[in-house]
Amino acid sequence: NAGVTQTPKFRVLKTGQSMTLLCAQDMNHEYMYWYRQDPGMGLRLIHYSVGEGTTAKGEVPDGYNVSRLKKQNFLLGLESAAPSQTSVYFCASSETTEAFFGQGTRLTVV
Amino acid sequence: SQQGEEDPQALSIQEGENATMNCSYKTSINNLQWYRQNSGRGLVHLILIRSNEREKHSGRLRVTLDTSKKSSSLLITASREADTASYFCATDAGYKLSFGAGTTVTVRA
Repeated sequence: NAGVTQTPKFRVLKTGQSMTLLCAQDMNHEYMYWYRQDPGMGLRLIHYSVGEGTTAKGEVPDGYNVSRLKKQNFLLGLESAAPSQTSVYFCASSETTEAFFGQGTRLTVV
Repeated sequence: SQQGEEDPQALSIQEGENATMNCSYKTSINNLQWYRQNSGRGLVHLILIRSNEREKHSGRLRVTLDTSKKSSSLLITASREADTASYFCATDAGYKLSFGAGTTVTVRA
């Protein structure tokens, strides 16, 4: 049982480049989340989804877009990467309460 | 700003001692959860307490919730080196799950 899988695990981008982070869950969960984690800041919610075809903004949505075309996948896009987006990104899914997390994507923007 | 705030930011204790950390939050909640994160890895769910509960136990974990003060505490009894990790409280208001900045716990042998 894979749970929540994030790809890629590591990535280095140049300023202005674009990329998509993929999150896949095999638990048939309705809710999915994207967070970023920076030193001393804990986890900050970027965007979330309460079901297939829905998305909503979290605390820090600027510079990111998301899509949930299929229930099991939640994509996070950076259209024009900036050094301020250097962070560790975590995806999570839940049904009603307990959230299950992926192992994270370490993104560096140079 | 983040919904939950943990206190202290860091805690260092001897193996066998108890570790207590607190979480304060700002708005009404349905549930409060505690998660653990080992260095560089994803978060793992520890325990959930509902808004109508005051205390909950799970193994060596004890969680309290005071909705009038908008605060919660997590107690880890008889700590072990393996408890070394960061601990986060998470609140959900509706579907949005928000985390605090965490408490880093170091358990010394």
